[in-house]
Amino acid sequence: KNQVEQSPQSLIILEGKNCTLQCNYTVSPFSNLRWYKQDTGRGPVSLTIMTFSENTKSNGRYTATLDADTKQSSLHITASQLSDSASYICVVSASSNYQLIWGAGTKLIIKP
Amino acid sequence: DSGVTQTPKHLITATGQRVTLRCSPRSGDLSVYWYQQSLDQGLQFLIQYYNGEERAKGNILERFSAQQFPDLHSELNLSSLELGDSALYFCASSAGTAEKLFFGSGTQLSVL
Repeated sequence: KNQVEQSPQSLIILEGKNCTLQCNYTVSPFSNLRWYKQDTGRGPVSLTIMTFSENTKSNGRYTATLDADTKQSSLHITASQLSDSASYICVVSASSNYQLIWGAGTKLIIKP
Repeated sequence: DSGVTQTPKHLITATGQRVTLRCSPRSGDLSVYWYQQSLDQGLQFLIQYYNGEERAKGNILERFSAQQFPDLHSELNLSSLELGDSALYFCASSAGTAEKLFFGSGTQLSVL
C-alpha cells in the first residue's frame, strides 16, 4: 500500500535554531517527492520538488534531501524564524496513476 | 497570491442542503485538484481533473461530485450535507501532473 509517514508529529524549537523533519515513503513506482508548507487556515505552498535523480534541493533556508534507495527524505530548516511556524507536509507522486500521496504533516512551532 | 481563485470564501448552510464550490485555476493550468481538510486534520484528496476529464479519484463520497468545464474552471457539488462535512475545501491547479500544485485560499464550509 502506498504510504507516506512523517516524523515527528510536532516540534517546538527556539527562534534561530535549526531543525530537521523526516519523511519515509513506500510509494511505488516513484515519480517525485514534494515538500509543502501550510500556514494555519491557508492553502499549502510548494517548497521543493525532487525527482529520482535529485538528492538535494534548496529553497532559501529550506534544504530537502532524498535517498531513493532507502525511500527517505528530510527537510532541514536553517536559522529558524517565527514565520516558519507552520505544518510541513511531505507528498510523494506515484508515476503509475499520477496519484499524490500526502503525509499527515509535522507541526512546527518556533518560539521567541 | 497563487493565482487560483475559490468562491465563496465562507459558506454556512444546514444539514440536508446542497452547495456548489467554485474554482478558477491559474491561467494555463490544465489540472485541477480538490481537497478536504477538517479541523486539525491533514489534507484529504477528493478528485483530480485534467483538461476536462477525471484523472484520479480519492476518498470522495457518493454525495459529492465534481466537474471541470471547457474553460477549465471546476465546481465541487456537495449534497445531502451532514455535520461532518464541515471543513475547509481547497482547490489546487497545476500545469501538468508532474508539476507543483498551486492552492487557492479555500472555502470554509460550516454545516449547522
